Amino acid sequence: IAGITQAPTSQILAAGRRMTLRCTQDMRHNAMYWYRQDLGLGLRLIHYSNTAGTTGKGEVPDGYSVSRANTDDFPLTLASAVPSQTSVYFCASSDSAGGAVGGYTFGSGTRLTVV
Amino acid sequence: RKEVEQDPGPFNVPEGATVAFNCTYSNSASQSFFWYRQDCRKEPKLLMSVYSSGNEDGRFTAQLNRASQYISLLIRDSKLSDSATYLCVVPLTGKLIFGQGTTLQVKP
Repeated sequence: IAGITQAPTSQILAAGRRMTLRCTQDMRHNAMYWYRQDLGLGLRLIHYSNTAGTTGKGEVPDGYSVSRANTDDFPLTLASAVPSQTSVYFCASSDSAGGAVGGYTFGSGTRLTVV
Repeated sequence: RKEVEQDPGPFNVPEGATVAFNCTYSNSASQSFFWYRQDCRKEPKLLMSVYSSGNEDGRFTAQLNRASQYISLLIRDSKLSDSATYLCVVPLTGKLIFGQGTTLQVKP
């Protein structure tokens, strides 16, 4: 089934550890995005990529890095996790940059707890 | 003014009721709009796109008022399965901006 796959589904991580959240899409969408969702704060954009080889910072990029080596994969790395990074992380993609035509398709999310 | 504003609710309605949510946006240049549905602990899913004055899909109607810069979502004959959070989404500076959502609880 075409869509976005995120892994892991959930993770408990010790503070200070490095962690990479994986995101793969098979729709050949050009643009991909990482959001975090926290209660009362809604969805906040962390990083985005409008096309393979390019990335940009969103609203809350500090403590996170991304890469876009190819069209399908867009991993999100926490270099040294802190408890404030406890959240639900959603990866999304869109055919058009910015998603103004057609919106975004979301993955099922990664629930991360940093202790 | 926030880029996208929604009343968080919750809206508690009985089955069969008609309920409407409003969403206001700040960017008068936005051309397309979306309503997403998000179930508890799940990913947001596209419910409706609005590219002109409105859109209708079964029991769901989305209307756009450009002059007043708001979008509405009307749900007729509410079902228990409509209970969810509804997110208003507006394009801005090359990204989609998500409202914080309006929670709907449909009671038997």
